[in-house]
Formats: sequence, C-alpha cells, structure tokens
Amino acid sequence: GAGVSQSPRYKVAKRGQDVALRCDPISGHVSLFWYQQALGQGPEFLTYFQNEAQLDKSGLPSDRFFAERPEGSVSTLKIQRTQQEDSAVYLCASSFRTIGAINEQFFGPGTRLTVL
Amino acid sequence: KQEVTQIPAALSVPEGENLVLNCSFTDSAIYNLQWFRQDPGKGLTSLLLIQSSQREQTSGRLNASLDKSSGRSTLYIAASQPGDSATYLCAVFDNYGQNFVFGPGTRLSVLP
Repeated sequence: GAGVSQSPRYKVAKRGQDVALRCDPISGHVSLFWYQQALGQGPEFLTYFQNEAQLDKSGLPSDRFFAERPEGSVSTLKIQRTQQEDSAVYLCASSFRTIGAINEQFFGPGTRLTVL
Repeated sequence: KQEVTQIPAALSVPEGENLVLNCSFTDSAIYNLQWFRQDPGKGLTSLLLIQSSQREQTSGRLNASLDKSSGRSTLYIAASQPGDSATYLCAVFDNYGQNFVFGPGTRLSVLP
C-alpha cells in the first residue's frame, strides 16, 4: 500500500518568494502532522490536523506559515515571503487514529527547502 | 515543557557488536514513546512504539525498553550490521501536548 508522499522533494526559493509544500497522507488516516527539521536536529512540531480541522498550530514559527487540509486528506503547508532561516526539511506524518488513542505516526520522505 | 535528549550524539562500532542507544525525557507523563530510524536525505521509519503501560517492545534484532518513572528509554541493537548505519531518533507523545517531541538523534555508524 502507498505510504505518505510529499512533493516536491526539493525546493529552492529566492528570499521573499512564496512556496507551497504538499502532503498526501495514507488513505483513511485521520490525523496529519507537519514538522520542521533543521540540519543535524530532530524534527520540531509545527501543526496538527484532525480531518479538516486544524486543532493545533502552536508550532508555526511566524504568521508567514500557513497550513490547510480543506477536505481532510491532502494538506498544504505554505510559507510566504521566505527567509533564509526557513531552510530546512519539512516532514509530514499521518496517523490512523486521533490524538489520545494509540498513535503510531507514519512519515513521508520530506521536502528539503533551501532559501537563497 | 517536555524535553528529550539522546546520548551519545554519535557512535561508531565494528560490525557484530551489540549496542545501546539512550533516550531521556523530562516529564514522565507520557502517552507513548516511539523509536525511529532516519537515513540521510530520507524521512523517518518507525521501528518500535511503546505504550506508557508497557515496559518493552521487540522487533527482530531490536529491543526497546521504557522506564517512565525515571524518564528513560533504551534501544538495544543486537549483532549490528553495516546496514544499521543511520540516525536513530526517539520521540515522546506526552499527556499534555498533542504532538511528538523529538530528541536530537544518535548518529550510528557500523563499520564492516
């Protein structure tokens, strides 16, 4: 069966450009998470969706970051007016169950964003 | 705020050795703990998930233990192989937050 997929795998943007990163979770998975991973560090939580509802966006570093999951399946992470400090790998994960239940997360391959 | 640390940061061993990776967390009120493997340029692969009520999980040559009261987990890898070379991350899902908090990882190199 298909796992979590993300596109593009690599993105180079000039400072100030807007970017959109896509995540296709495993079919039927209720929960979807976005993480940011800087070089040499563990992933850091950005935001969480349960179906189409964004229940937690406490990890988004600034108001330039926006995420949506309008139909409860595919999700898009948008970064406006990119800055060099936004350069990182952006990971998406999905889980069959909701928060509070047994909760194994399955990760996509990530999108490596480089802002010049 | 939950914090997760991993020791050592990097480890290099000859093929065939048994080894232990350590993970510590500051708040013992966790829901579960998951160990992941990450290969360079790749996403995370789940290795083992331990619920808060469990003390260990095993999968093949891997064994993970959990001691909630002391805030520790260990990942034991038996008879290491060069293919085990990767970064190993632990993450805890605590009772208060709604997301995983990751450690920085241990970078493992198994030399042939």
